[in-house]
Amino acid sequence: AQSVTQLGSHVSVSEGALVLLRCNYSSSVPPYLFWYVQYPNQGLQLLLKYTSAATLVKGINGFEAEFKKSETSFHLTKPSAHMSDAAEYFCAANTGTASKLTFGTGTRLQVTL
Amino acid sequence: DTAVSQTPKYLVTQMGNDKSIKCEQNLGHDTMYWYKQDSKKFLKIMFSYNNKELIINETVPNRFSPKSPDKAHLNLHINSLELGDSAVYFCASSHRSAGTSGQETQYFGPGTRLLVL
Repeated sequence: AQSVTQLGSHVSVSEGALVLLRCNYSSSVPPYLFWYVQYPNQGLQLLLKYTSAATLVKGINGFEAEFKKSETSFHLTKPSAHMSDAAEYFCAANTGTASKLTFGTGTRLQVTL
Repeated sequence: DTAVSQTPKYLVTQMGNDKSIKCEQNLGHDTMYWYKQDSKKFLKIMFSYNNKELIINETVPNRFSPKSPDKAHLNLHINSLELGDSAVYFCASSHRSAGTSGQETQYFGPGTRLLVL
């Protein structure tokens, strides 16, 4: 069974600092991987996705993620945090079976001055 | 120009009542989903329809019944509401192409916040 683990339910960084949100997947078949962001009281918005075309994926708002098969990881990074990045971030995986997304438990990113 | 819309946005009701949540997408997608987000923000798929056919039906109480009158709409009816049904329900849609299933982006609605008293 496929599962997604996000290490750290809460991450706090200073404005301008590096953002690193961790995601590991567990699957016998490397899945398609997604990062979504949820701002307070809103729906989820896609940041980026890995579909096997390139291991380094660039997304919106300056975020990027690198797929590492040997580490079964897909960590999300941003070189310099902005106050507007404060939100809940979800990693999700899809092995292609009926387009079923399996989500991690989410990481709340707090950005301080 | 809202892509995926849900009504109502908030729903407060008593235990035992029956309620419906509506979802509409104007993206021309052929697949729609319902997700439940609990109080700890955990998201889990409940149902998915492709071209009005049910393709995902997770372990959900049969008090929950989805209905897809056409490809642009997926409604969720809940009978005999219980306290544990309190959550945020998200509708989503995507376009599935043969050979690329699983890669497609799912577009989410703003959510319906259900509170059962």
